[in-house]
Amino acid sequence: ETGVTQTPRHLVMGMTNKKSLKCEQHLGHNAMYWYKQSAKKPLELMFVYNFKEQTENNSVPSRFSPECPNSSHLFLHLHTLQPEDSALYLCASSLLLGTPNYEKLFFGSGTQLSVL
Amino acid sequence: KQEVTQIPAALSVPEGENLVLNCSFTDSAIYNLQWFRQDPGKGLTSLLLIQSSQREQTSGRLNASLDKSSGRSTLYIAASQPGDSATYLCAVTRGWDSGAGSYQLTFGKGTKLSVIP
Repeated sequence: ETGVTQTPRHLVMGMTNKKSLKCEQHLGHNAMYWYKQSAKKPLELMFVYNFKEQTENNSVPSRFSPECPNSSHLFLHLHTLQPEDSALYLCASSLLLGTPNYEKLFFGSGTQLSVL
Repeated sequence: KQEVTQIPAALSVPEGENLVLNCSFTDSAIYNLQWFRQDPGKGLTSLLLIQSSQREQTSGRLNASLDKSSGRSTLYIAASQPGDSATYLCAVTRGWDSGAGSYQLTFGKGTKLSVIP
């Protein structure tokens, strides 16, 4: 266990559904990230939160909506997704950006999302 | 735009063999380079992190080297074991630019390693 927990592990949803992915960390970190991993493509950074403040939105479509209510929890709200959004969504955390050793990321096991 | 390439895409070796995984990147202005391991259907585990001022890092049977000027890194695995079977990913970061509020970590597609007993 890395200390980063993601739920659910698997999710199947229709294009008109609304669902949310949840990430929780108990490592005392203050930076949290969402990554997308598609088959045969490199891991793509989606969002970065540094102490609850969103610092990066990597040109992600608005059908993905992140929420970071506190430093320990991160959500990704999904609505009207497309089949090409099917992928493994990974959450990660680290120490506060810019502080020593912030580069070391701790990943959750991911949510495998299938959009039908 | 930074691009990270990992060769080969897949590698199969017999148990006990020493092996080298390669990573190259196009922009040498990096802050650090990391090697990760990913097991099927799982998240990533950080193996080694090399700062831009360093040449190599070692952890157990793993040794990672960095040649920033040529845009290359290698991950050396000694005496490979079946438990080493996984996908190994290389990632470079430009670091955190607090002024711009910018953070960039670029991954390669990975090398899938299979160690045959």
